[in-house]
Amino acid sequence: QKEVEQNSGPLSVPEGAIASLNCTYSDRGSQSFFWYRQYSGKSPELIMFIYSNGDKEDGRFTAQLNKASQYVSLLIRDSQPSDSATYLCAVIRFSGGTSYGKLTFGQGTILTVHP
Amino acid sequence: EAGVVQSPRYKIIEKKQPVAFWCNPISGHNTLYWYRQNLGQGPELLIRYENEEAVDDSQLPKDRFSAERLKGVDSTLKIQPAELGDSAVYLCASSLVRPLGDEQFFGPGTRLTVL
Repeated sequence: QKEVEQNSGPLSVPEGAIASLNCTYSDRGSQSFFWYRQYSGKSPELIMFIYSNGDKEDGRFTAQLNKASQYVSLLIRDSQPSDSATYLCAVIRFSGGTSYGKLTFGQGTILTVHP
Repeated sequence: EAGVVQSPRYKIIEKKQPVAFWCNPISGHNTLYWYRQNLGQGPELLIRYENEEAVDDSQLPKDRFSAERLKGVDSTLKIQPAELGDSAVYLCASSLVRPLGDEQFFGPGTRLTVL
């Protein structure tokens, strides 16, 4: 079982719709969760992060975390063609009482927003 | 604020040849990471530095890969000799250590092709 799993897609949504991206993780000790966006041929860029159960909103983006189900999602409202990219889920687990954690990425979900 | 700088952006070599990648992190970021990203996959951590110290190199193939971070700033990743399977994008990232997880900022990457 992979540590972080995402549906590789592609996920295709029409412009203006809500895109829902999902991620599951295997390590119950995971503590912090990140969503990165990666355009083709570019490097990942951080969209948002979440630590606590529930929802966190930032503009058109909402991250949702359910630690009991080991599930984190990203909702993109009013999707635009410029949102077309690969979305990477990443989790951190701290160990040894330090603040250093290894960031483990999923394989990413390809999102296509069509006009 | 300047971002993470990497060079070269592209490198094509024949197998068994050596290759080196260079990274200059964001000013003031004490943590530096090297990742490898294969096509269609998320980045995988190779090594993490805290200042000059390699605090996690468990994923670095030490028979052929080496890395250094002189004076706790710039870093170099070397492969010698390169193999066909080393073809990938090598990403450098930097961050400030934060209590609930680092926000890592990625450089543009070096795309390595081994023939």
